[in-house]
Amino acid sequence: DVKVTQSSRYLVKRTGEKVFLECVQDMDHENMFWYRQDPGLGLRLIYFSYDVKMKEKGDIPEGYSVSREKKERFSLILESASTNQTSMYLCASTFTGGRTGELFFGEGSRLTVL
Amino acid sequence: GDSVTQMEGPVTLSEEAFLTINCTYTATGYPSLFWYVQYPGEGLQLLLKATKADDKGSNKGFEATYRKETTSFHLEKGSVQVSDSAVYFCALRRVNAGKSTFGDGTTLTVKP
Repeated sequence: DVKVTQSSRYLVKRTGEKVFLECVQDMDHENMFWYRQDPGLGLRLIYFSYDVKMKEKGDIPEGYSVSREKKERFSLILESASTNQTSMYLCASTFTGGRTGELFFGEGSRLTVL
Repeated sequence: GDSVTQMEGPVTLSEEAFLTINCTYTATGYPSLFWYVQYPGEGLQLLLKATKADDKGSNKGFEATYRKETTSFHLEKGSVQVSDSAVYFCALRRVNAGKSTFGDGTTLTVKP
């Protein structure tokens, strides 16, 4: 069964802390994505990666960075967490090319910054 | 750029009612179209998809037809159940593109 696994379902952090959100997929997908989901704002793309060590900014990259050292793992980093980064974070992956191209999502990580 | 517009919610229906959630898109070329569903407390999962004009995607009693002439991909179900209560997202992805484009999501609540 294909799977995208996010390391933590729920996290509570304090303002200014460094936060790591980890995502691992077992489908040998080239593309991986980080979204945040907020009520009334839908899904917003933070960063994505189409290959190891490659990254592209999405629509809202400010305050975030990412790391992709291995094909199966894509990490989202909040260098100094702030209360406005309280949100649900969703990781997804997919193949490059082909007509289908559906995304496979993790269960989500709900982050609260106090 | 690409965009997806879907019916604003929330939508509240009684069990066994007919469901339609409208979705229209703007994109260059011939994108693949998707409906994703998000149940409470979970991530999104693919509900159905269509990859070319006039294709019909179907799953779990839900259907959507890729209409190129009207650039639409409306989601329908003939008889909804309480267990269908969720948020539904329409999305597109162009061939060989990295990113997908999502609509804002429509929250469906089905009451017994």
